[in-house]
Amino acid sequence: EVQLVESGGGLVQPGGSLRLSCAASGFIFTSYWMSWVRQAPGKGLEWVANIKQDGSEKYYVDSVKGRFTISRDNAKNSLYLQMNSLRADDTAVYYCARDRRGVLGRWFDPWGQGTLVTVSS
Amino acid sequence: DIQMTQSPSSLSASVGDRVTITCRASQSISSFLNWYQQKPGKAPKLLIFAASSLQRGVPLRFTGSGSGTDFTLTISSLQPEDFATYYCQQSHSSHYNFGQGTKLEIK
Repeated sequence: EVQLVESGGGLVQPGGSLRLSCAASGFIFTSYWMSWVRQAPGKGLEWVANIKQDGSEKYYVDSVKGRFTISRDNAKNSLYLQMNSLRADDTAVYYCARDRRGVLGRWFDPWGQGTLVTVSS
Repeated sequence: DIQMTQSPSSLSASVGDRVTITCRASQSISSFLNWYQQKPGKAPKLLIFAASSLQRGVPLRFTGSGSGTDFTLTISSLQPEDFATYYCQQSHSSHYNFGQGTKLEIK
């Protein structure tokens, strides 16, 4: 069974840092791009970042560039999101998702259960 | 950035109804359009990719269509488990923007 399990969320003060992890299982991790997608409370979905299979390419939404870093450890089948200089508007559930790609486009499947990040003093 | 606009933002319907949700892109995205379903407190689930391809395991009552800038998600006969929020998402550009969502509620 393909499974993604996030961890590392919690309460952090504005300006603080947090590192999210996503443990992947049930598929060949090194064959896929991976993404982080977030959802602020009561709001819609926002793609945050993605990373190529070997980590050589990374892309970010403008609002997190320079503050967040996506990375992966293929030996551990794990995806990470290092979040620095956190702001109140970064408060959200953060989902890890497998980023499937082909000639028909790119889509997220499956998603993890999410981990909540709350930025507040 | 490509902007995605869904309509309506919310919709009330009854079990057995046929419903259609629309998604419009601010520029042509060919068929690079996906649909997701999200239930309260749960992660989104892929329903349709590439505008009209049904994800494995998704019931046949879900249909996607469209290309260019205008797309639709149709549920042919609503079932109780279909009441949820639906999102479209474009993958034409490297920034995968989502629509704002359509909340489907029981009438």
